[in-house]
Amino acid sequence: DQQVKQNSPSLSVQEGRISILNCDYTNSMFDYFLWYKKYPAEGPTFLISISSIKDKNEDGRFTVFLNKSAKHLSLHIVPSQPGDSAVYFCAATPGNFNKFYFGSGTKLNVKP
Amino acid sequence: DVKVTQSSRYLVKRTGEKVFLECVQDMDHENMFWYRQDPGLGLRLIYFSYDVKMKEKGDIPEGYSVSREKKERFSLILESASTNQTSMYLCASRGGNIQYFGAGTRLSVL
Repeated sequence: DQQVKQNSPSLSVQEGRISILNCDYTNSMFDYFLWYKKYPAEGPTFLISISSIKDKNEDGRFTVFLNKSAKHLSLHIVPSQPGDSAVYFCAATPGNFNKFYFGSGTKLNVKP
Repeated sequence: DVKVTQSSRYLVKRTGEKVFLECVQDMDHENMFWYRQDPGLGLRLIYFSYDVKMKEKGDIPEGYSVSREKKERFSLILESASTNQTSMYLCASRGGNIQYFGAGTRLSVL
């Protein structure tokens, strides 16, 4: 059973608007969370992360929110740009960083 | 920039063949990983290594083995390839809290 779930396989957003990608997890031992971005024919690249001691982390247009009680995190992209079109994976680790658990990905399409 | 290089982008093999997937990283990272990516399932961990000659099974090790003879190189071995091992294979190395990925090898087993 997947411990990290991304229930939306795809999302389409207009350029300039906000993109919100969601991720749920089941394991309460997870204490570090990451978002990766993947373009076709490339490996995933790290985007942003958050520790469980925080509820928000911001990096430019990207903000990750963590709701530990709901076991839910989200990635906000504001404003969305066509170059953001990619597959986004969320990942979680219990803190030893030996095992990372990935969601199934959300394909974001930002329309010009 | 961290560089993780997978030796092949595409491979086509026959059922029963022994298959080697090679991965090299240039950042002296101790931890390296092999994943497979399948539609709807995300990335699933096959094996990881935390030092030379040290390895641990991930979530789906059946049908696979690994080799880490040098720190920079981590090999995934399919002892006898089967059609259900057709997939995208991704190698990663870890620096700090972040994994750095190679571009992937798309393996087709016919």
